[in-house]
Amino acid sequence: GAVVSQHPSRVICKSGTSVKIECRSLDFQATTMFWYRQFPKQSLMLMATSNEGSKATYEQGVEKDKFLINHASLTLSTLTVTSAHPEDSSFYICSARTSGYTDTQYFGPGTRLTVL
Amino acid sequence: AQTVTQSQPEMSVQEAETVTLSCTYDTSESNYYLFWYKQPPSRQMILVIRQEAYKQQNATENRFSVNFQKAAKSFSLKISDSQLGDTAMYFCAFAYEKLTFGTGTRLTIIP
Repeated sequence: GAVVSQHPSRVICKSGTSVKIECRSLDFQATTMFWYRQFPKQSLMLMATSNEGSKATYEQGVEKDKFLINHASLTLSTLTVTSAHPEDSSFYICSARTSGYTDTQYFGPGTRLTVL
Repeated sequence: AQTVTQSQPEMSVQEAETVTLSCTYDTSESNYYLFWYKQPPSRQMILVIRQEAYKQQNATENRFSVNFQKAAKSFSLKISDSQLGDTAMYFCAFAYEKLTFGTGTRLTIIP
């Protein structure tokens, strides 16, 4: 149980285009989903927290107009990188949690974004 | 704000030996959770073990156990009978509303 999927696993796009990444909880309902960014050989950096049906909460320094997050259902959250540039190239990981901070976060397999 | 410190960037150990990874954290909260996650080369984050701060008993999961010292704000992970598949990055994480990760320890199991 507690499986989280991400799609796509890899994406290459041209500078200036937008890219959408999907995160799905496959066997449980996720009231809260999180989006992280991980640079090579570094730890995970939380970008934003999204609760189903409400606006996402962004961490300080994360541009909410560049990284659009939608959590339309209890099993799906999407991250859209708008007008992507090479500096947005990174590994993006989502996680899902059932309810409350006491519950474990389960992670998706990640998406490698390369912007040319 | 919470901080998590992992002071060992890299460790290596012979297969079948025991290894301990260190983690300290700083918080003013009293009720929280602590986790160890592993990230193998596939980069999939995998839950290793979880500890509730209100429990005095140390969590164990098969070959994995923790030494939780709440007063010292210390949360180390012990891996017994290490296996080649344990080779990975290990992240200590503090949970209160959200997860705060340490910088990670790269563990290599040597055949």
